[in-house]
Amino acid sequence: DIVMTQSPDSLAVSLGERATINCKSSQSVLYISNDENYLAWYQQKPGQPPKLLIYWASTRESGVPDRFSGSGSATDFTLTISSLQAEDVAIYYCQQYYSTPPTFGQGTKVEIK
Amino acid sequence: EVQLVESGGGLVQPGRSLRLSCAASGFTFDYYGMHWVRQPPGKGLEWVAGLSYNSRTIGYADSVKGRFTISRDNAKNFLYLQMNSLRDEDTALYYCVKDLGTYYNGNPFDYWGQGTLVAVSS
Repeated sequence: DIVMTQSPDSLAVSLGERATINCKSSQSVLYISNDENYLAWYQQKPGQPPKLLIYWASTRESGVPDRFSGSGSATDFTLTISSLQAEDVAIYYCQQYYSTPPTFGQGTKVEIK
Repeated sequence: EVQLVESGGGLVQPGRSLRLSCAASGFTFDYYGMHWVRQPPGKGLEWVAGLSYNSRTIGYADSVKGRFTISRDNAKNFLYLQMNSLRDEDTALYYCVKDLGTYYNGNPFDYWGQGTLVAVSS
C-alpha cells in the first residue's frame, strides 16, 4: 500500500495569512502515460463529511474558492490556502488514487491563530 | 443535487452482522463507481471497499476482505455493504461515496454522504 504522510499535524494561522500543508507519498503517484498525478485533497469541517477540493494534484473542484491551490508532483505535494478565512477551519486530507487501496494521509488540522 | 443517504448502522455485538444501505439520487447512478469509506471516532479516513458501475470489478481493504461484501442495485439506485464477523475495530462512521469515474480505481471521490455510525461492542 502507498503510505501518505502529511505535515504538519496541525497549524494555526492568522486570518488573511497563508496556510501550507505538505503531503508525501511513499512511492510516486505520477502516471507517466498521461502525465497526471493521482492525488486529491479533501476538506472536512467539524461534524461534516469530507469535501473534494483538489484533484489531479492541482485541479480545483467546481465551486471551490481560488484561494485554495494544489501543487507538486510524483511524491511531494502541497495544498496552499492563500488567505485563510474563518470558514477554512477544518481538517485537510490528501489521498492517492494511483493504486488500490486508495489511501489517505493522517490529516492536518487548520485553526485560527 | 447529488444526495447519498446511508442507513443501517447501530450497536452490534462482536461476531454479529450488519447491512448498510445507501440511497443515491441526483445523478445517473449506474454510470459511476461507488465506495464505502469509514472513519473511526476522532480518527482519519480508511477506504473499505469499492465497485465499478456494473459491479464487474470490486476491491476491498485487507482489513475487511472475506468479512465484508459490497454490492449495488442499479435499478433501485442503492449501494450496500454486508458486514459479517464484526470486530471492535470496525467501529466507525461509514460513508457512502461516489467516484468521479465509472470504475472504483483511478479517480477521486467527489460526493460523500453524511455517514451511518456502526458501533461494535459487547
